[in-house]
This record gives sequence, C-alpha cells and structure tokens, in this order.
Amino acid sequence: QKEVEQDPGPLSVPEGAIVSLNCTYSNSAFQYFMWYRQYSRKGPELLMYTYSSGNKEDGRFTAQVDKSSKYISLFIRDSQPSDSATYLCAMYGSSNTGKLIFGQGTTLQVKP
Amino acid sequence: DVKVTQSSRYLVKRTGEKVFLECVQDMDHENMFWYRQDPGLGLRLIYFSYDVKMKEKGDIPEGYSVSREKKERFSLILESASTNQTSMYLCASSLGGVGYTFGSGTRLTVV
Repeated sequence: QKEVEQDPGPLSVPEGAIVSLNCTYSNSAFQYFMWYRQYSRKGPELLMYTYSSGNKEDGRFTAQVDKSSKYISLFIRDSQPSDSATYLCAMYGSSNTGKLIFGQGTTLQVKP
Repeated sequence: DVKVTQSSRYLVKRTGEKVFLECVQDMDHENMFWYRQDPGLGLRLIYFSYDVKMKEKGDIPEGYSVSREKKERFSLILESASTNQTSMYLCASSLGGVGYTFGSGTRLTVV
C-alpha cells in the first residue's frame, strides 16, 4: 500500500464549477500537508501548505486536513480554464527529515 | 523568489552514453532532490542531498549517481543511459522540507 493515495483522474468540469481534489494517507506521523500545481511541461509549484488539522483559505482555493480520517482535500471555487493542471498532494512528518511524500497527482481540465 | 535552474529543457541521448543533468539553486538551500516523473507513476525520488558532498539514495537510485561539490549545484548522472530512463527529470531544493521549489524539468529521451 502506498503511503499517499491520490486518484489520477482525469477530472473534467465546466467553468465555474466547484472542484474537490483529495488524498488519503496511512502514516499518522505526517504533520505538514501541501498542494502543488503543475502545468503541462513545467515543474510543480507550491500552491498551499497547512500544518496539522484544519482549513486554510487563499482566494478561490481552500485546503482541508482531517487527521482523524487521514484525509486531505483541496477545493477550488469558481474554477477557471487557467486552473487546468495536475494537482499533487504532498506531506511529511518530523521523522521524514524534510523528504516529501507525493501523491500521484490528479489531472484537472476546466472546460470553458 | 528562489530559482531552481535546470540546464536543459530537452535532451536526446543515445543508449550507453553517460548523461549529466545539472541543477543550480540561488537561495542557499541546504536540501536538494532529484525526481523522475512518469505517466501513471507520479514523482519518484532518485537521490537527495542535505549538504555539500553528502548524498542519500531515494526510492529508485539504480542506474543513477549524483554529485554535490558546491551547495548550489546538484548534478544527476546517468552512468550508461538506457531507454527505460526516458523520462521527465525534476530537480528541487528546500530549506527544511516545507515548500520545495522545483525547476522546470528536463525531458530526456534515450534512443
């Protein structure tokens, strides 16, 4: 079993839809949770970062962490065609000495 | 902003060649990483380094080696390139794990 599971999709939605992207994980030591966005033929870029449980909002993006369920989510409101990308979750705990564990990535397409 | 620069965007090499992929970061980060990314397999860690002249194997180090002679530069070496090493290679750096900064990637094709 992988430490981090993420449905690769692809996920296709109409412009303006609310998008929900999710990851599950097995290691209860994970404390830091991140979402990266990767456009085609580019490197991933850090989108959001949360520590432990709870929500974090940044514009149209909201990251949620539920440590009791070992489940994290990224919500995108009012999705735009420019949001079309691959979204990767990533996480680590203090025992990882800074080495991130990545999900496989979910490919999202937002259609105009 | 931290910049991570990978020397080549696209490379085509022949089977058996020794290949060098270069990565340079400009913010004095201690940690540097090399990943390969393949469809359906996600990001897989090849090697990483927490300091100059220090290296540790990742999940798939076979067929690769690395060099870190200076803090800002981390090189990935394919000792004898094979077709199954055709992939997108991504370099990243970080201060302490939170928030890797990635380069734009090198798409390597081995023919």
